[in-house]
Amino acid sequence: EAGVAQSPRYKIIEKRQSVAFWCNPISGHATLYWYQQILGQGPKLLIQFQNNGVVDDSQLPKDRFSAERLKGVDSTLKIQPAKLEDSAVYLCASSLGGGQTGEQYFGPGTRLTVT
Amino acid sequence: GQNIDQPTEMTATEGAIVQINCTYQTSGFNGLFWYQQHAGEAPTFLSYNVLDGLEEKGRFSSFLSRSKGYSYLLLKELQMKDSASYLCAVVSGYALNFGKGTSLLVTP
Repeated sequence: EAGVAQSPRYKIIEKRQSVAFWCNPISGHATLYWYQQILGQGPKLLIQFQNNGVVDDSQLPKDRFSAERLKGVDSTLKIQPAKLEDSAVYLCASSLGGGQTGEQYFGPGTRLTVT
Repeated sequence: GQNIDQPTEMTATEGAIVQINCTYQTSGFNGLFWYQQHAGEAPTFLSYNVLDGLEEKGRFSSFLSRSKGYSYLLLKELQMKDSASYLCAVVSGYALNFGKGTSLLVTP
């Protein structure tokens, strides 16, 4: 079974530039998550999708971050414009069900450096 | 609000037993996960507790006390490859809230 795929693996941009990350979850997984993990901290949930609907985006900085999962499969996360404090690893995860009790499978992450 | 506390760092010797504690205060509780994360890699699932008590899985065990807001992860017969960060995560509502993680160093 293929795991969660993410691209790119690494990205370096200057502040005020835009960047987009892509995630393809495990086939058949209804729920998709985007997390931000700053060095030395645990992952912080940015947004959770159930199929193509948003379940929770309370911690997404909506003035600069956006995410979509149009066909209920893969997803993109965009930052526009980026700030220095956005430097982090962006993890995508998926789970079979609603995620409350289901194991989440994480992708390898995208390491973003904003200079 | 959500508050999940774990020790920042721990060191243990190969072959020994180590216990990593996690205390939490969250608005709502639907279960607790432990994840392992090696440096530069994604978190991988270790255990899930929703009821009080001990869950054993090979060398790893996880304990939960909901009344105390407390969990621990027990690692037995430590191996060098167990050097990693261990993340405690509490399910509250729809969200999985992670602690900052405990960095475990296993020494020869």
